[in-house]
Amino acid sequence: EAQVTQNPRYLITVTGKKLTVTCSQNMNHEYMSWYRQDPGLGLRQIYYSMNVEVTDKGDVPEGYKVSRKEKRNFPLILESPSPNQTSLYFCASSLGTASYEQYFGPGTRLTVT
Amino acid sequence: GQQVMQIPQYQHVQEGEDFTTYCNSSTTLSNIQWYKQRPGGHPVFLIQLVKSGEVKKQKRLTFQFGEAKKNSSLHITATQTTDVGTYFCAGHSGAGSYQLTFGKGTKLSVIP
Repeated sequence: EAQVTQNPRYLITVTGKKLTVTCSQNMNHEYMSWYRQDPGLGLRQIYYSMNVEVTDKGDVPEGYKVSRKEKRNFPLILESPSPNQTSLYFCASSLGTASYEQYFGPGTRLTVT
Repeated sequence: GQQVMQIPQYQHVQEGEDFTTYCNSSTTLSNIQWYKQRPGGHPVFLIQLVKSGEVKKQKRLTFQFGEAKKNSSLHITATQTTDVGTYFCAGHSGAGSYQLTFGKGTKLSVIP
């Protein structure tokens, strides 16, 4: 089944404790991206990747890191999480650039205390 | 940077009434996409519009792309309870940009 998977689905952590949210897709998609969703703010793009080893900042990259060492995986790294990073995070992938249909993962709800 | 504004933020309708959400971009778009997110779910792609003035239909849903390619709308005829969710537009400016900018969404509630 074609899908985007994210882990963990739920995470409660403390300020400053490094964490990684994994994202994997099995559709051989070139484009992958991370979004955060906050009430009243919609979906805001954090980082995106056009292909392996090619990444770029989205609209809200501060406090986040990403890497794209393999085509299928695009982990999101929070080196020192803060409470303002409490949010619902979605990973998405698509066949090509942003002009293609985006397939979203199920989401990761992160709480930083 | 590119901004995509979407109105209204919320809409409550009686089942059977029509619903429309509007999307406006600060810049000309290469294409615009529409997504639906059910409560507790993830965004799911509905459609993409590419051509100026394009109109596409999916059963009770009608999507339009403005002549200037800066605005778009989604109209639902005779809403049903299954239409409940948040509808997002997402614009891509093209021209070497790899970013997709989402509107804040319109949350639709349907009263049975």
